[in-house]
Amino acid sequence: DGGITQSPKYLFRKEGQNVTLSCEQNLNHDAMYWYRQDPGQGLRLIYYSQIVNDFQKGDIAEGYSVSREKKESFPLTVTSAQKNPTAFYLCASSDQRSYHYGYTFGSGTRLTVV
Amino acid sequence: AQSVTQPDIHITVSEGASLELRCNYSYGATPYLFWYVQSPGQGLQLLLKYFSGDTLVQGIKGFEAEFKRSQSSFNLRKPSVHWSDAAEYFCAVGANQAGTALIFGKGTTLSVSS
Repeated sequence: DGGITQSPKYLFRKEGQNVTLSCEQNLNHDAMYWYRQDPGQGLRLIYYSQIVNDFQKGDIAEGYSVSREKKESFPLTVTSAQKNPTAFYLCASSDQRSYHYGYTFGSGTRLTVV
Repeated sequence: AQSVTQPDIHITVSEGASLELRCNYSYGATPYLFWYVQSPGQGLQLLLKYFSGDTLVQGIKGFEAEFKRSQSSFNLRKPSVHWSDAAEYFCAVGANQAGTALIFGKGTTLSVSS
């Protein structure tokens, strides 16, 4: 079955450390997105990519970086510059030709600073 | 700029009672509107969507929503709530153009009492 796979499900980061969250989709979707979820804050857009080798900053891109070298993959790196990285991270994808059908979401990665 | 407001942070409904979750949006043209549901620690699942046509849309799990342009609203309804409906619900708005991302509300947590 097609879908989005996020890994790992739980991730622990030490102070000053960079960590990378994986997001892979086999839906042949063109666009991919990263959202951060905090209690009471809803989903806030970090980065999104419409095509390979191109991406745009969202509302809260500071302290994060992404790459889009393959259509199937859109990894998110949480850098040491992100001062409050503890959150639930959600990856999503959509077919640009029919983007009004909404997004397909992964099951999320919970990142905790230790 | 687009925005979404979900006025109710938390709602408790008795099992078998009707439900209405409110969503107000801000957007200059006809938006794409979505409702998603999230169980704890999981990704988001699409309940229903509106982008044109009939303003009353039916979704999965017995949910429906009505688009009211004059009120800038897209409220979610269910005639009889089941205990399994307890979850967090998110309204989202998208622009009618490629190259943009969905904007989500802060969510409404639904509790179901017996």
